Amino acid sequence: QVQLQESGPGLVKPSETLSLTCAVSGYSISSGYYWGWIRQPPGKGLEWIGSIYHSGSTYYNPSLKSRVTISVDTSKNQFSLKLSSVTAADTAVYYCARTRYSYGMYYFDYWGQGTLVTVSS
Amino acid sequence: QLVLTQSPSASASLGASVKLTCTLSSGHSSYAIAWHQQQPEKGPRYLMKLNSDGSHSKGDGIPDRFSGSSSGAERYLTISSLQSEDEADYYCQTWGTGIHAVFGGGTQLTVL
Repeated sequence: QVQLQESGPGLVKPSETLSLTCAVSGYSISSGYYWGWIRQPPGKGLEWIGSIYHSGSTYYNPSLKSRVTISVDTSKNQFSLKLSSVTAADTAVYYCARTRYSYGMYYFDYWGQGTLVTVSS
Repeated sequence: QLVLTQSPSASASLGASVKLTCTLSSGHSSYAIAWHQQQPEKGPRYLMKLNSDGSHSKGDGIPDRFSGSSSGAERYLTISSLQSEDEADYYCQTWGTGIHAVFGGGTQLTVL
């Protein structure tokens, strides 16, 4: 069974960089699939941030692209998110998810439980 | 522009059936979508990928009570024999060139 677990600071100061890691178990990242980050502001819907392949190839949400970096560490079977210059609008629960491809479409077939990140001084 | 539209809320009685709708924007009626369930205070769970012809592939352990169908630009999720644990938010999601992953606004399902 594929399992994903997010970790990282729960509080980040405005203008600083948010950093999260997603540890994957039950599946080797090196075996394939893209791996993604999605966030959900309190009381709101889901917003995709970006996805990465084990080779390092990435897709990013155009609205966040200038501030986002997603990287992968196959030796640790994990991938990471960095979001720079954060503001209160970046306060959200951050989820990691496996991104599967089938017949022209990518979708998220396994999700982590999420981690709340609050941006506040 | 690729947009997914969902009704904000729906309700149905325990043991009954409910059909939730996700509508693709004009020009995108051939797109497949995925349905995800988010129970209160939990992370989302993948339910199924639903193609434009109505064929679908479910996630691991998803009960037969959950089914999908399609008509034109509309994608449906039908839940039969509603149980209390089906009370959740349901999101549809697709993928487009350039914009990549897109989510609908979600439907909050109340089981009466």
